[in-house]
Amino acid sequence: DIQMTQSPSSLSASVGDRVTITCRASQSISNYLNWYQQKPGIAPKLLISSASFLQSGVTSRFSGSGSGTDFTLTINSLQPEDSATYYCQQSYSDLFSFGPGTKVEIK
Amino acid sequence: EVQLAQSGAEVKKPGESLTISCKGSGYSFTTHWIGWVRQRPGKGLEWMGIIYPGDSDARYSPSFQGQVTMSVDKSVNTAYLQWNTLKAPDTAIYYCARLRNNYGPFDYWGQGTRVTVSS
Repeated sequence: DIQMTQSPSSLSASVGDRVTITCRASQSISNYLNWYQQKPGIAPKLLISSASFLQSGVTSRFSGSGSGTDFTLTINSLQPEDSATYYCQQSYSDLFSFGPGTKVEIK
Repeated sequence: EVQLAQSGAEVKKPGESLTISCKGSGYSFTTHWIGWVRQRPGKGLEWMGIIYPGDSDARYSPSFQGQVTMSVDKSVNTAYLQWNTLKAPDTAIYYCARLRNNYGPFDYWGQGTRVTVSS
């Protein structure tokens, strides 16, 4: 099975800050890496697919990069509505797996 | 508009059986895999498995193999998740989600079904 890790597990940042979340796969997954945002009590929302492809309707403050085993999600100019938990997920193997999540809080 | 509508919240006792549902609309239901994801209270997302409505081909996470059964009824565009014997640790929110393509993301999600197992 492919294991996914994320760091940090949580962070607190100010409005306007640039935030970076890292996701690592236990083996190469090419660019088959997706990012989701989940707010409390709501289903996850797809932000980025294939490591860097921003989904329609998602603000360009979000960006993704990486390939192989190491990936990043960047939030530029953090806004209050970005407070959420962010999950990475690999779709390289048909045994899909999620990372443990990174909780982003606004100071 | 693509939508996945899940069945309502359930409260069950340990040992009981349960089936929850996920009805797709606004797209070709038989040509997109449907996945199931568990989220225990205060915890992260756990991928349970996927099923292809076109032929009922199913792939389970090793963690959930033998614990649940996925099925579909393509005549009513609905996927199901079934437990024969519920346990307290099955208490969670269960989401269904559509797989965009074979190596793609889960692009549309149901609203979730809350399952509570308590004596």
